[in-house]
Order: sequence, then C-alpha cells, then structure tokens
Amino acid sequence: QKEVEQNSGPLSVPEGAIASLNCTYSDRGSQSFFWYRQYSGKSPELIMSIYSNGDKEDGRFTAQLNKASQYVSLLIRDSQPSDSATYLCAVAGGGSTLGRLYFGRGTQLTVWP
Amino acid sequence: EPEVTQTPSHQVTQMGQEVILRCVPISNHLYFYWYRQILGQKVEFLVSFYNNEISEKSEIFDDQFSVERPDGSNFTLKIRSTKLEDSAMYFCASSDRGAYQPQHFGDGTRLSIL
Repeated sequence: QKEVEQNSGPLSVPEGAIASLNCTYSDRGSQSFFWYRQYSGKSPELIMSIYSNGDKEDGRFTAQLNKASQYVSLLIRDSQPSDSATYLCAVAGGGSTLGRLYFGRGTQLTVWP
Repeated sequence: EPEVTQTPSHQVTQMGQEVILRCVPISNHLYFYWYRQILGQKVEFLVSFYNNEISEKSEIFDDQFSVERPDGSNFTLKIRSTKLEDSAMYFCASSDRGAYQPQHFGDGTRLSIL
C-alpha cells in the first residue's frame, strides 16, 4: 500500500510569517509530486508541482523535494489570511500506478491577522 | 482559464438507485480521472481513463461503477446501485500530457444517498 503522510495540524501562523508544510511518501518509484490547496467544501486546487530534487519557487510558494529521504515540503512566505485552507500533498506513483495520485490527509493551515 | 466542469453540484438519491455524474474535462486534455472524498477523509483515486479505455482502477471501483466517454467532450461516472457508503464528494480531473503531469480538478458533485 502506497502511503502519503502529512502532519494533520492544525498549523497556525500569524500573517506575514512563513508556513512550513511537510509530507513523506512510501513509494520510492514515485515520479511526480504535487501540492493542492483545498478550502472547506471545495475541490483541490493545484498550487505547485515538482519532479526533481531541490527547490522550486513560484511567487510566495516554494516546494522542496528530497527523493532519497522520500520527503516533500511546501513553504509559504508572507502568509496571508486567504492562505487559510487545507494543503494536500499528492504523489504520482511509478510502476503500474501511472497517473494515479495518492493523497495525504492534508494539513490544515490557519493564518491569523 | 480553462476548467473542468461537473454536473450536478449536488445529487440526492435513494439507496439502490442508479446515478450518473457528469464531467466536461478541459478541451485539449487526454487523460481523465475520478476521485472521491468521504467527509473528513482523504481524497481517494477511483479510476483513470485514456484513449477510450480504463487505464487503472482502484479496489473501490467495483462492478457497481462504470465510466464512459459518450462523445468528444463528456466523461461520466455511473454507480448502478447506490449504497449509503457511496455518499461522498466525487471529483473529476484531467491532465494534458498524462501520467506524471498535473491533474486539474472540477468543483465536484456532492452525492448524498438516503
């Protein structure tokens, strides 16, 4: 069973701070890694994708991948109250599970003004 | 910006009835997926579809479930005889270049089985 684990939180940070979200995965053959944001009652919204080791920056968001440690993280700089949501880590497995996304349970983030 | 659209947004059905959930993927996308999310739980994969056939299905996707692409734009999920435990949000997703590319999700259909 391919597992994706996230700290469930809740994570609470003040406005303007850096929020750090972490994710580990079990399948070493995984090829693609995604962060989605999900507001309550809404659908997952793609924020970042990362495929190779290292950092990838997009605006206030930075995704980090370490395949040796099977670890993915998301940093949100200058956090805003509108960033308050559940952040889902999703992993696309290798082998026979092409394209299938495995999701973590999500980390609930609250940014307070 | 192109988006995945799903209808209806909310479906209420009696247990044992058939339901069809509809999706219009992004127009140039070739890979289609259904996921579900039971309230308070993680998003779970149901099935992937490419080139008019199922690529992969999960253990959830049993004989009660089927998918179809009846024309060039729609992608449907049918549940033949609904159970109480089928109550969930069902999300359709699509991607353009396949297995390892980002999947874009529709707004979902909330299915409530009575």
